[in-house]
Amino acid sequence: AQTVTQSQPEMSVQEAETVTLSCTYDTSESDYYLFWYKQPPSRQMILVIRQEAYKQQNATENRFSVNFQKAAKSFSLKISDSQLGDAAMYFCAYRSFHQAGTALIFGKGTTLSVSS
Amino acid sequence: ETGVTQSPTHLIKTRGQQVTLRCSSQSGHNTVSWYQQALGQGPQFIFQYYREEENGRGNFPPRFSGLQFPNYSSELNVNALELDDSALYLCASSLALQARTAYGYTFGSGTRLTVV
Repeated sequence: AQTVTQSQPEMSVQEAETVTLSCTYDTSESDYYLFWYKQPPSRQMILVIRQEAYKQQNATENRFSVNFQKAAKSFSLKISDSQLGDAAMYFCAYRSFHQAGTALIFGKGTTLSVSS
Repeated sequence: ETGVTQSPTHLIKTRGQQVTLRCSSQSGHNTVSWYQQALGQGPQFIFQYYREEENGRGNFPPRFSGLQFPNYSSELNVNALELDDSALYLCASSLALQARTAYGYTFGSGTRLTVV
């Protein structure tokens, strides 16, 4: 069974600084998706960034980028130029590519606080 | 484009009772999945419906059941409520070109269920 581990329960960063959130996963599959989701106090999960395992190039979305190390099964999220609105719970998630009927496997999350 | 709407937003039930939670999927989406998120934890996959059929299930007992309707909205039913069922229940919709290739999950803001 696949598992996702986020080893940092809490992280903090100052406005305009850069922070990296860690995620490791375990799988025997070669094709899969990885995601970072943000959950603010409003509770809605918001997709931050997605990575397809077959793509070697790291995904980037504006201030958010990932460092995807497939062999090491590592998928970290870098937030540049942090803003107060980035404060939220961040979840790393895995999804099998081939298996029908599967959904997202989430880590336990990292709470990010941003100070001015 | 409408998002995912869940109702009610909050609910208090007594142990042993039954509860029904509702989810209206995003326009154009044909797949709905449900997650249970305990306080301070990542969401756990309950089950998924594709074209009105359950096509995937997590490690939850049979007293957790669901339905998907022709308009792709969905219900989650929980019988014989236990105190440990207290959690945030999230619904996510997506468009699957085939049963396994669902992309772009859109989450609702969840229903906070408290069992006393």
